[in-house]
Amino acid sequence: EAGVAQSPRYKIIEKRQSVAFWCNPISGHATLYWYQQILGQGPKLLIQFQNNGVVDDSQLPKDRFSAERLKGVDSTLKIQPAKLEDSAVYLCASSHGQANYEQYFGPGTRLTVT
Amino acid sequence: AQKVTQAQTEISVVEKEDVTLDCVYETRDTTYYLFWYKQPPSGELVFLIRRNSFDEQNEISGRYSWNFQKSTSSFNFTITASQVVDSAVYFCALRESGYSTLTFGKGTMLLVSP
Repeated sequence: EAGVAQSPRYKIIEKRQSVAFWCNPISGHATLYWYQQILGQGPKLLIQFQNNGVVDDSQLPKDRFSAERLKGVDSTLKIQPAKLEDSAVYLCASSHGQANYEQYFGPGTRLTVT
Repeated sequence: AQKVTQAQTEISVVEKEDVTLDCVYETRDTTYYLFWYKQPPSGELVFLIRRNSFDEQNEISGRYSWNFQKSTSSFNFTITASQVVDSAVYFCALRESGYSTLTFGKGTMLLVSP
């Protein structure tokens, strides 16, 4: 079974530029998560989808971050415009369903904003 | 509010030594789940174990063992006879019943030298 796929693996941009990350979850997983992991910290949930609907986006900085999962499969996370403090690893995870299912993580995208 | 504390930022051991990673959690929920994840240099979070709040039995899996004590709100992880491949950042996480959100600690970096 293929794992969670993410691309790109690395991205370097200048502040005020835009960037997008892509995630393809494990086949059949209805729930998809985006986490932000700042260096030296644990991952922090940004947004959670159940199929193509948003379940929790309470910690998503909506003035600059957006995410979509139009067909309930793969997902895109966008930052526009980027700030220096957005430098982090962005992790995508998926699970069969909510609450009582394990989350499986992708390799992450390391973003550096200069 | 839920919180996970991993007081050890970094631990260095020599191969074959035993090492214990500490995790202390806070929650008001009576039903919750505790997790350990491993994050090797490749960046992907690898699931190691899940323990629910009603099961205080310790668990052993090969060289890994976990000690769950509700009385002290701790869920410690021990690696016996450590190996160089165990070098990684280890995260403890908490999830309250009925919710998908994982709350992670800041992680403990384990360095095992030959």
